[in-house]
Amino acid sequence: QTVVTQEPSLTVSPGGTVTLTCASSTGAVTSGNYPNWFQQKPGQVPRALIYRTSNKHSWTPARFSGSLLGDKAALTLSGVQPEDEAEYYCLLYYGGSRVFGGGTKLTVL
Amino acid sequence: QITLKESGPTLVKPTQTLTLTCTFSGFSLSTTGVGVGWIRQPPGKALEWLAVVFWHDDKRYSPSLTGRLSITKDTSKNQVVLTVTNVSPVDTATYYCVHFNDFSGDYWGQGMLVTVSS
Repeated sequence: QTVVTQEPSLTVSPGGTVTLTCASSTGAVTSGNYPNWFQQKPGQVPRALIYRTSNKHSWTPARFSGSLLGDKAALTLSGVQPEDEAEYYCLLYYGGSRVFGGGTKLTVL
Repeated sequence: QITLKESGPTLVKPTQTLTLTCTFSGFSLSTTGVGVGWIRQPPGKALEWLAVVFWHDDKRYSPSLTGRLSITKDTSKNQVVLTVTNVSPVDTATYYCVHFNDFSGDYWGQGMLVTVSS
């Protein structure tokens, strides 16, 4: 059973920079896992932010960026805004099926 | 404009089969690269990927639920149906229908809460 691991929680100050990561129990995350990132605010439907590691959707704010960092996928928020407080999920591809991480609760304080 | 909407029962008894329908518009499931999938989220918990069907009828399922899930498409009706057999209270969740393209789950339905209880 593949497990995708994210930091349970992170705290960042407004205007700061924070990096969320996504690790795979099968080994290093690569571009072949086509990492996706989603943002979910309380009571709302998840919103897609990043696909194929680093590609942004037309609605993704410029302060969000995706990358591979070491053996993990990463989502970096630069110039964090109060409205970025949310749960963030990564999704990895494994030859057809996909697995979500457990989510990172980001607090802006 | 791509939209998706989930429909089905909101209450199901344990051991029964849950059937959910996703009705979509703004795209065709016969277009190369396009897929429609299902994702669920138990109350207060993380997202869980369930299944996806692609334009060429390739189907993929969550390994942890293989055997209980079935996904089918009706391209003429713009619908995708997910069935979950032998449900139990742990299957209580908000179920989302999602449009996939280029390895991106970009458009989501509003979701519907399904409760499994006797």
